[in-house]
Amino acid sequence: AQSVTQLGSHVSVSEGALVLLRCNYSSSVPPYLFWYVQYPNQGLQLLLKYTTGATLVKGINGFEAEFKKSETSFHLTKPSAHMSDAAEYFCAVSEMDSSYKLIFGSGTRLLVRP
Amino acid sequence: DGGITQSPKYLFRKEGQNVTLSCEQNLNHDAMYWYRQDPGQGLRLIYYSQIVNDFQKGDIAEGYSVSREKKESFPLTVTSAQKNPTAFYLCATQDRIGEQYFGPGTRLTVT
Repeated sequence: AQSVTQLGSHVSVSEGALVLLRCNYSSSVPPYLFWYVQYPNQGLQLLLKYTTGATLVKGINGFEAEFKKSETSFHLTKPSAHMSDAAEYFCAVSEMDSSYKLIFGSGTRLLVRP
Repeated sequence: DGGITQSPKYLFRKEGQNVTLSCEQNLNHDAMYWYRQDPGQGLRLIYYSQIVNDFQKGDIAEGYSVSREKKESFPLTVTSAQKNPTAFYLCATQDRIGEQYFGPGTRLTVT
């Protein structure tokens, strides 16, 4: 079965600083990979996804992520943090069986300091 | 306007009562999911359904039940057998390449 590890349950950055949220997965074959964002008391919203093709994926709100097969990683970055980026971020990987159901990481809460 | 509707947003029940959470979608997706989220924790899969009239248990199905009589609807019943039902419940659909689309969630409080 797949597993997803998000390093750091909380990450704190200053406004304008680089955002880096880490995600590693376990898979013997290239999976589908996703990053979701959740604001308080709301559902999850897709930030970006990797299925096939270009390994650098651009998403909404200036976020991007790079699929690195050799490192089994899919880290999320944003060059300059904004106060509105404060939220919970979840990395997910698809099960490569008939269900394609998603396995979620435990989440990383991003705090943005003024 | 396509999307997923969960109602109500907030739900309060007394201990020992069963309660049903609604999830409706008009995205025409076959697969639907129910997750539970506790404060500071990630998502835990309760049940999922890949097609009408079929569903499978997830990681924490005990104390919950579902039905899938229509493609658009996937209601979740939290039974009195669920020891700690207070949580935030999220419903999602999934498209053919695995992307999941989430509803706004229902916060259930049982006292």
